[in-house]
Amino acid sequence: DVKVTQSSRYLVKRTGEKVFLECVQDMDHENMFWYRQDPGLGLRLIYFSYDVKMKEKGDIPEGYSVSREKKERFSLILESASTNQTSMYLCASRDLAGALEQYFGPGTRLTVT
Amino acid sequence: AQSVTQLGSHVSVSEGALVLLRCNYSSSVPPYLFWYVQYPNQGLQLLLKYTSAATLVKGINGFEAEFKKSETSFHLTKPSAHMRDAAEYFCAVSDLKAAGNKLTFGGGTRVLVKP
Repeated sequence: DVKVTQSSRYLVKRTGEKVFLECVQDMDHENMFWYRQDPGLGLRLIYFSYDVKMKEKGDIPEGYSVSREKKERFSLILESASTNQTSMYLCASRDLAGALEQYFGPGTRLTVT
Repeated sequence: AQSVTQLGSHVSVSEGALVLLRCNYSSSVPPYLFWYVQYPNQGLQLLLKYTSAATLVKGINGFEAEFKKSETSFHLTKPSAHMRDAAEYFCAVSDLKAAGNKLTFGGGTRVLVKP
């Protein structure tokens, strides 16, 4: 089974802090994704990565950056956290040879105070 | 740009009753379509997918969905609801022409199952 893990289930940070969210997948997938989930809005794509050191902006990249130095790890960075970034963050990965479905981690619920 | 609309943010059904969750999409090309389920405090799990083969797709836990091109719909059904079906359900569409074959998600439908 594909396993996608995220470093924290719950995180509380202060406004202005730099926040790192880590995601690791164990199936050698090329593609990885970061979403945020808000009630009524579904999942919105923040950034995705085709492969190591390759990244592309999603629909809502403002206030975020990403890093992918190793194939199995994809990090989401909030350079200066703000209260409107309080949300559930979900990481996903996908095998290019598969049928396009994405495999999700359990999520990190981030609260910025 | 593609989009997904899920009618009804909340649905309440009685145990043993039919579950029907509606999903309509817009896409300029034949899409791939997905239904995911999210149980409390968990990530998303794939229920089923349509990838241009049979229009009636069977998934896990007794769910199925039918792709209707003329109606641009991909509604999810289950004949008999069980308490464990209480969760949030997301419909998603993948545009094969979009860079990275990104998924676009609907707003989600939360299902409550009454005993």
